[in-house]
Amino acid sequence: DGGITQSPKYLFRKEGQNVTLSCEQNLNHDAMYWYRQDPGQGLRLIYYSQIVNDFQKGDIAEGYSVSREKKESFPLTVTSAQKNPTAFYLCASSTQGSPFFEQYFGPGTRLTVT
Amino acid sequence: DQQVKQNSPSLSVQEGRISILNCDYTNSMFDYFLWYKKYPAEGPTFLISISSIKDKNEDGRFTVFLNKSAKHLSLHIVPSQPGDSAVYFCAAQDGSSNTGKLIFGQGTTLQVKP
Repeated sequence: DGGITQSPKYLFRKEGQNVTLSCEQNLNHDAMYWYRQDPGQGLRLIYYSQIVNDFQKGDIAEGYSVSREKKESFPLTVTSAQKNPTAFYLCASSTQGSPFFEQYFGPGTRLTVT
Repeated sequence: DQQVKQNSPSLSVQEGRISILNCDYTNSMFDYFLWYKKYPAEGPTFLISISSIKDKNEDGRFTVFLNKSAKHLSLHIVPSQPGDSAVYFCAAQDGSSNTGKLIFGQGTTLQVKP
């Protein structure tokens, strides 16, 4: 049963702490993406990776970091430098980073930082 | 700089009638467009897409129309059903970038009343 797993679904952290969000896919997709959704806004791209051991910044990468050591996994770390970390985080993957391939999304992680 | 805009935050229609969701874009390099449907606290699911070489694509109750000269696309749902109530995002891709990156609109919340 292929899909994208994000864990946990809800995450609470104190301000000043780093936190890592998990994203795993068993679709054998090459490309993976991290988005952030805020109320009333669309999805904004944080980071993406088209191949293992390589990744690029998206539109709002400041305060975030990623790694891509395995094809199946693309964890996102929200660092204490991110000024507004509370948001709904979505991970996605696609068959390749080329055009005309839709992205498949995980269920998301809602992060609340107080 | 919002390259993809959905100017209607919400839309309410009666069950059985047509729902029309609109999306405008500014970047003439976009050549692939997608619609996603999203329920609260879940990841978006792919609905339908269209490439810039076409002006219409149909899949069951869903039809997407593309007007390149106006840089406008629309999603028609006929007939609308209560289960269609969700947030709908349009997204655009510049195929020449070869990154697979999607640029999303802000979303339109559709409510279908029984």
